[in-house]
Amino acid sequence: QKEVEQDPGPLSVPEGAIVSLNCTYSNSAFQYFMWYRQYSRKGPELLMYTYSSGNKEDGRFTAQVDKSSKYISLFIRDSQPSDSATYLCAMRTNTGNQFYFGTGTSLTVIP
Amino acid sequence: NAGVTQTPKFQVLKTGQSMTLQCAQDMNHEYMSWYRQDPGMGLRLIHYSVGAGITDQGEVPNGYNVSRSTTEDFPLRLLSAAPSQTSVYFCASSSPGTATEAFFGQGTRLTVV
Repeated sequence: QKEVEQDPGPLSVPEGAIVSLNCTYSNSAFQYFMWYRQYSRKGPELLMYTYSSGNKEDGRFTAQVDKSSKYISLFIRDSQPSDSATYLCAMRTNTGNQFYFGTGTSLTVIP
Repeated sequence: NAGVTQTPKFQVLKTGQSMTLQCAQDMNHEYMSWYRQDPGMGLRLIHYSVGAGITDQGEVPNGYNVSRSTTEDFPLRLLSAAPSQTSVYFCASSSPGTATEAFFGQGTRLTVV
C-alpha cells in the first residue's frame, strides 16, 4: 500500500462547478499537507498548504485536513477553464525532508 | 529568479547509451531530489541529497546514479539506458526542516528507443 493514495480521475466538470479533490494517507506522522498544481508539460507548483488539522482558504480554493480519518481535501469554487490541470497532494513529517506525493488527479473544466 | 533549471528539455536515447540530466538551483537549498513521472504512477523518487557530498536512494534507484559535489548542482546519470526509463524526469529542491514547498524544474522528457 502506498503511503498516499489519490484517485487519478480524470475529472471533467462544467465551468462554475464546485470541485472536490481528495487524498488518503497511512502515515500518522505526516504534519504538513500540500496541494500542487501541474499544467501540461510543466513542473508542479505549490498551490497551498496546511499544517496539522483544520481548514485553510485562499480565494476560490479551500484545503481541509482531517487527521483522525487520515483524509485531506481540496475544494475549488466557481471553477474556471484555467483551473484545468493535474492536482497532486503531498505530505511530509515534522522532521523528514522527503515529500510524499499522490499520483495526481487530472481535472478539466469545460467552458 | 531562475529557481530550478533542468537541461535538456527533451532527449532521445538508444538502448544502452548513457547520459547525464543536469539540474541546478540558485536558492541555496540543501535538499535536492530527482523524480520520474509516468502515467498512473505519479511522482516516484529516484535519488535525493540532503547536502553536498551526501546522497541516498529513493523508491526507484536502479539504473540511475547521482552525485552532489556542490550545493547548486545535482546531476542524474543514466548508466545504460533502457526503454523502461522512458519517462519525464523532474528535479526538485527545498529547504530542510519545515519547508512546505518543493521547487520543481520544468522537466526532461526522455525517450529510450
